Amino acid sequence: EAGVAQSPRYKIIEKRQSVAFWCNPISGHATLYWYQQILGQGPKLLIQFQNNGVVDDSQLPKDRFSAERLKGVDSTLKIQPAKLEDSAVYLCASSPLAGGGYYEQYFGPGTRLTVT
Amino acid sequence: SQQGEEDPQALSIQEGENATMNCSYKTSINNLQWYRQNSGRGLVHLILIRSNEREKHSGRLRVTLDTSKKSSSLLITASRAADTASYFCATATIGAQKLVFGQGTRLTINP
Repeated sequence: EAGVAQSPRYKIIEKRQSVAFWCNPISGHATLYWYQQILGQGPKLLIQFQNNGVVDDSQLPKDRFSAERLKGVDSTLKIQPAKLEDSAVYLCASSPLAGGGYYEQYFGPGTRLTVT
Repeated sequence: SQQGEEDPQALSIQEGENATMNCSYKTSINNLQWYRQNSGRGLVHLILIRSNEREKHSGRLRVTLDTSKKSSSLLITASRAADTASYFCATATIGAQKLVFGQGTRLTINP
């Protein structure tokens, strides 16, 4: 079974530029998550999709971050414009069933973003 | 908002020794999960323990849950160099749709 795929693996941009990350979850997984992990901290949930609907985006900075999950499969997370404090690893995860916190999650390798 | 807090923040032991990490949380949970993160394999799920369970085992891993004390522990027996990683507990509160991760324990196994 193929794992969660993410691209790019690394990205360096200047502040005020825009950036997009892509995630392909495990085939058949209903729930998809985007996390932000700042160095030395645990992952923080940004947004959670169930199929192509948003379940939780309470910690997504909506003035600069946006995400979509078209057709309930792939997802894209965008930052526009980026700030220095957005430097972090962006993790995508998926789980097979609805009810996100009740089941184990499968994580992709992450995208390390550096904003200069 | 942070729910789980791991203790210690860092732990260094000799290969072959046992490693114990603790997690405390604040509100009632549906389940608690432990994950491992290293540079080679990213974040990997280890064990999920539900609120009505007290202990679970998986290979060299043993997890306990004490809901009266709102705490959990992860024991790794006979540690190996490959166990060097950061270990995170994550909690799913009752009725919540999401996991909340702690800050993690950085474990170093010395040869």
